[in-house]
Amino acid sequence: DAGVIQSPRHEVTEMGQEVTLRCKPISGHDYLFWYRQTMMRGLELLIYFNNNVPIDDSGMPEDRFSAKMPNASFSTLKIQPSEPRDSAVYFCASSFLQGGAEAFFGQGTRLTVV
Amino acid sequence: QQQVKQSPQSLIVQKGGISIINCAYENTAFDYFPWYQQFPGKGPALLIAIRPDVSEKKEGRFTISFNKSAKQFSLHIMDSQPGDSATYFCAASRAGFQKLVFGTGTRLLVSP
Repeated sequence: DAGVIQSPRHEVTEMGQEVTLRCKPISGHDYLFWYRQTMMRGLELLIYFNNNVPIDDSGMPEDRFSAKMPNASFSTLKIQPSEPRDSAVYFCASSFLQGGAEAFFGQGTRLTVV
Repeated sequence: QQQVKQSPQSLIVQKGGISIINCAYENTAFDYFPWYQQFPGKGPALLIAIRPDVSEKKEGRFTISFNKSAKQFSLHIMDSQPGDSATYFCAASRAGFQKLVFGTGTRLLVSP
């Protein structure tokens, strides 16, 4: 398996623009997580899905953030409108219940909002 | 109660030395304690994990020590190598939950 695939790897956008980050989890995994990593706050869990259903979105910072998982092989994290403080590395991770809580992370998307 | 506290924030060790990173938790419902390793530009990757039914787990040069009564666990890297230079995260999860709570990370530098 190719692992968790995220796109794009890097994104530079202007403040106020819409940004969409994409994730393809590992086939067969039934959990998908979106994390944000910054120097100040470390790894923060934003939202996670089980079988395509959002389970816990308490980490989503504001209404400007939204996430969807239309099917088992695809998820998006959208920021609209983007702000400079959203600049961070966003990771997608997936896991499967029978594997315990081991999460497999993608390479991340480095977002810069100018 | 959902936090995992990690220390130190950064660590410099000489090649061949022992690196020790510590974590503490409050939630006694946690029953899975992994350590993740992250290299620059990469996502975190599972390094080693332990469950509370054992006090120690060793995989090569990496050992987790677990103290259930103190609610602490630590990562020991024996014979540290420059290639071990990375950021290390401890984490914890509750039985039946896939959600991991991560520590704040330790940046390890192993000097040649």
